[in-house]
Amino acid sequence: GQNIDQPTEMTATEGAIVQINCTYQTSGFNGLFWYQQHAGEAPTFLSYNVLDGLEEKGRFSSFLSRSKGYSYLLLKELQMKDSASYLCAVRDSNYQLIWGAGTKLIIKP
Amino acid sequence: IAGITQAPTSQILAAGRRMTLRCTQDMRHNAMYWYRQDLGLGLRLIHYSNTAGTTGKGEVPDGYSVSRANTDDFPLTLASAVPSQTSVYFCASSHGGAGELFFGEGSRLTVL
Repeated sequence: GQNIDQPTEMTATEGAIVQINCTYQTSGFNGLFWYQQHAGEAPTFLSYNVLDGLEEKGRFSSFLSRSKGYSYLLLKELQMKDSASYLCAVRDSNYQLIWGAGTKLIIKP
Repeated sequence: IAGITQAPTSQILAAGRRMTLRCTQDMRHNAMYWYRQDLGLGLRLIHYSNTAGTTGKGEVPDGYSVSRANTDDFPLTLASAVPSQTSVYFCASSHGGAGELFFGEGSRLTVL
């Protein structure tokens, strides 16, 4: 079966750095997405990786290793507004998105 | 309208009733999707449409139907609601089948 694993919840301190991991087992691979979802709101797109390596976008970076079935989202200089759930999703060989359950990130002052 | 609009935003429904969740987008995206989101689970695909006039079943299609008469609208119908359909429903669209998804604000449905 297809599976996306990410931690249920993480806590970090304002101003610090946090890494949210995602491991996947899917039928084929056509890219990995990270979305941010604030409580009670819709998910919004953060990043997309299809090749191995690091993609940097401001305070957020996303890394992919296809051979290991592994990705992480790195958030730097954490702000209170970064408190949200972070969703990992993999597009499989049928171009369908398989979603992880999300990681709830709690930022403490 | 800007982006994707869903209606209603929230609804309480008696079991056995018929309900249609509306979704409209103004981005001229070809592909549209309906997901449900339940606590502790990832987003699960109910139905999708790659282009106007075509629809397909996702991971959890039972009890739901969709239509795609034109590019902009993609309504989701629950023919006879059951309590297990209590969930938050998100409509989404993408330009083609491989691009990022844009989500509506969600419809919170409670079936009693």
